[in-house]
Amino acid sequence: QKEVEQNSGPLSVPEGAIASLNCTYSDRGSQSFFWYRQYSGKSPELIMSIYSNGDKEDGRFTAQLNKASQYVSLLIRDSQPSDSATYLCAALSGGYSTLTFGKGTMLLVSP
Amino acid sequence: EPEVTQTPSHQVTQMGQEVILRCVPISNHLYFYWYRQILGQKVEFLVSFYNNEISEKSEIFDDQFSVERPDGSNFTLKIRSTKLEDSAMYFCADRDRAAEQYFGPGTRLTVT
Repeated sequence: QKEVEQNSGPLSVPEGAIASLNCTYSDRGSQSFFWYRQYSGKSPELIMSIYSNGDKEDGRFTAQLNKASQYVSLLIRDSQPSDSATYLCAALSGGYSTLTFGKGTMLLVSP
Repeated sequence: EPEVTQTPSHQVTQMGQEVILRCVPISNHLYFYWYRQILGQKVEFLVSFYNNEISEKSEIFDDQFSVERPDGSNFTLKIRSTKLEDSAMYFCADRDRAAEQYFGPGTRLTVT
């Protein structure tokens, strides 16, 4: 059974702080990992993908992957109130690339 | 930038009725997916579709469900004889060459 685990939160940070979101996965065959942002009542919006061990930076976002520890994280620098949302971690597996999602971590950024 | 679109945005149906949810994927993408999200729960994979055939399906995707690409652009999910527990958000997604999946806005299905 493929599982992706996330702390449901909420994670509360003040505006301007760094938010750190974490995720673990069970399937060692998973090769690619994604972070989606989901506002309440909306669809998941892709914000980062990461395929190899190490860090990947895109603007205020940095994704980190450690395949040995089966651990993925997302750092959001200079957090803004508009970043308040649920962040979904997803692992890709299988030949046809199905995504297994975690339940998501709710992030609250206070002004 | 092209986007995945879905219709209707909200569908209310009575238990036992059939519903068809529609999606228009991004035109040059080849892999299509349906996911669902029951309120307060995780996004769950239902089915993937490649080259006009089902390529993979989850345990959720039983005989009650079917998918089609009737005209080369639209991509539909049919749910026969809906049950109360089918109430959820249904998302269509497609995949680009980098294996990144882009979700449509979703259809909220309410079964009464």
